Amino acid sequence: DAMVIQNPRYQVTQFGKPVTLSCSQTLNHNVMYWYQQKSSQAPKLLFHYYDKDFNNEADTPDNFQSRRPNTSFCFLDIRSPGLGDAAMYLCATSSASGIGADTQYFGPGTRLTVL
Amino acid sequence: AQKVTQAQTEISVVEKEDVTLDCVYETRDTTYYLFWYKQPPSGELVFLIRRNSFDEQNEISGRYSWNFQKSTSSFNFTITASQVVDSAVYFCALKGERGSQGNLIFGKGTKLSVKP
Repeated sequence: DAMVIQNPRYQVTQFGKPVTLSCSQTLNHNVMYWYQQKSSQAPKLLFHYYDKDFNNEADTPDNFQSRRPNTSFCFLDIRSPGLGDAAMYLCATSSASGIGADTQYFGPGTRLTVL
Repeated sequence: AQKVTQAQTEISVVEKEDVTLDCVYETRDTTYYLFWYKQPPSGELVFLIRRNSFDEQNEISGRYSWNFQKSTSSFNFTITASQVVDSAVYFCALKGERGSQGNLIFGKGTKLSVKP
């Protein structure tokens, strides 16, 4: 089945220790997104890639970076995690054209704990 | 400005009851898309439905139905004969024709608890 995969599902890191979360997709979608979701809140978009074009949200801290080496993979790097970065991180994909364009499909998320 | 309001923060029902989750949206765009997502305790956001602004037909899928009314800017979601497995947080979302590709506006979500 075509899907969005996130690894790991749970990640524990120490304050200030860089961490990388990964996302892969078999949907062949050209747009990939990273969201941060804190408890009892709606997902908050951090950035997205339209093909290779990176689009950062204005209020995304510099501490968060992303890489998309190819269509299938996208990474979220947190350079120096703080306690406030503990959250669920959701990856999503969408197609920019065709039937169902702009519908975002989400992965299972990575729950990040910062000690 | 675009906005999605889900006024019901939490709803609790007993199994087999019908329940309606409200969603009211604001946009100045003439073309836009509305979505509902389900987020069970596991955390994954599951896509349920997408509706474009030119299609006001109501939709039914099994026990789920959606009522889209442009006149009241509402896109309500009804679960008939609710089941325990329906317990989740439900998000309504809006995407307008303007703005960036990633501009999906979420409501704050409604937490539904279905008790046996």
